[in-house]
Amino acid sequence: QQQVKQSPQSLIVQKGGISIINCAYENTAFDYFPWYQQFPGKGPALLIAIRPDVSEKKEGRFTISFNKSAKQFSLHIMDSQPGDSATYFCAASIASYGGSQGNLIFGKGTKLSVKP
Amino acid sequence: EAGVTQFPSHSVIEKGQTVTLRCDPISGHDNLYWYRRVMGKEIKFLLHFVKESKQDESGMPNNRFLAERTGGTYSTLKVQPAELEDSGVYFCASSQDGFSPLHFGNGTRLTVT
Repeated sequence: QQQVKQSPQSLIVQKGGISIINCAYENTAFDYFPWYQQFPGKGPALLIAIRPDVSEKKEGRFTISFNKSAKQFSLHIMDSQPGDSATYFCAASIASYGGSQGNLIFGKGTKLSVKP
Repeated sequence: EAGVTQFPSHSVIEKGQTVTLRCDPISGHDNLYWYRRVMGKEIKFLLHFVKESKQDESGMPNNRFLAERTGGTYSTLKVQPAELEDSGVYFCASSQDGFSPLHFGNGTRLTVT
């Protein structure tokens, strides 16, 4: 019940295309859903995050879609660029009721390659 | 502002030896977290400090791992004695409080041979 399942494991997209990465969770107590971007040799960096009171959040070319009833959330990267090539991790945590937003349960990651 | 820094960036040790990893959080960040990624697996939570106190150490694999944060500043994670399955990348992260985003360091890649 503590897992976050992420798919696909790897993704190849042409420059200018849309990259879509999906995550599913079981624990309905999760109330914070961030996406992290990681480049080789670097640590994960927060890309965008959402809470379950909204169904969508957009920041530039990055959008999170959240479906509370299906217990799923996804990351959409519009107009994908070669510089977006990285590993993307979804995560979830329980921020409220004495929890900590930082005690994250991560998905296994998706390696995105954007071809020029 | 300086980011989260971790030392060393790489460490290769033999089974049975001791290794100590260090993390310097962003100045003023009371919350410090340790995570680990074993190859091919997800990044897993190890423990959480608030200042010098251990808030949650539910992710620590066993008593061969000891984390400290003396004075509420930098933290160390000691593995003694190291086993082959301890190999992986150890990440440290910090945040201002329990509701702020995490800032991760670049990790320490530990290889136990």
